[in-house]
Amino acid sequence: GNSVTQMEGPVTLSEEAFLTINCTYTATGYPSLFWYVQYPGEGLQLLLKATKADDKGSNKGFEATYRKETTSFHLEKGSVQVSDSAVYFCALWQGGSEKLVFGKGTKLTVNP
Amino acid sequence: KAGVTQTPRYLIKTRGQQVTLSCSPISGHRSVSWYQQTPGQGLQFLFEYFSETQRNKGNFPGRFSGRQFSNSRSEMNVSTLELGDSALYLCASSFGHSNTGELFFGEGSRLTVL
Repeated sequence: GNSVTQMEGPVTLSEEAFLTINCTYTATGYPSLFWYVQYPGEGLQLLLKATKADDKGSNKGFEATYRKETTSFHLEKGSVQVSDSAVYFCALWQGGSEKLVFGKGTKLTVNP
Repeated sequence: KAGVTQTPRYLIKTRGQQVTLSCSPISGHRSVSWYQQTPGQGLQFLFEYFSETQRNKGNFPGRFSGRQFSNSRSEMNVSTLELGDSALYLCASSFGHSNTGELFFGEGSRLTVL
């Protein structure tokens, strides 16, 4: 079945550091890929998405590129801020399934 | 535009009891999904409803059930509670006719089973 594997945290960085959170997936066909973010005490919010190979999703300085050849969708940000501290979830959506399949989540803490 | 509203936000139950959680989707959204979030298992899909019909169900025992009303509001019920049912239950909504994976989540209902 479909699955998502993302690097386990926690990840602790200093402000303005470079961020990479790795995500790989297993799926049949051509799923859509997502990064969702969960701030403390809140539900999940969509951060960015990509619907086909080589698409780059971007939002709030975060980027991720859908790499079909490596089945990856790594999240990157060039300069993190304290306000980026949250849990990040990689997820895939297979058309017709009506469900998101999530990775385990990566907790990011950014220190001033 | 109001977001997804879940009630109650927090609740404590004892083993063997049952619980009902409620979700009001964003106005105009007709699809409602439920997910269970635990530290050990992460986020797991429970079920999805569109126009009062369950379109998909996750791998959970029959103690977990749900329904959707004609106004798109949804409820989920867990009967004969077990300690392992302690979790954050998240509801998400979307327009629903042709879902794309872009879901809008509520803040969740945190259930503690003692």
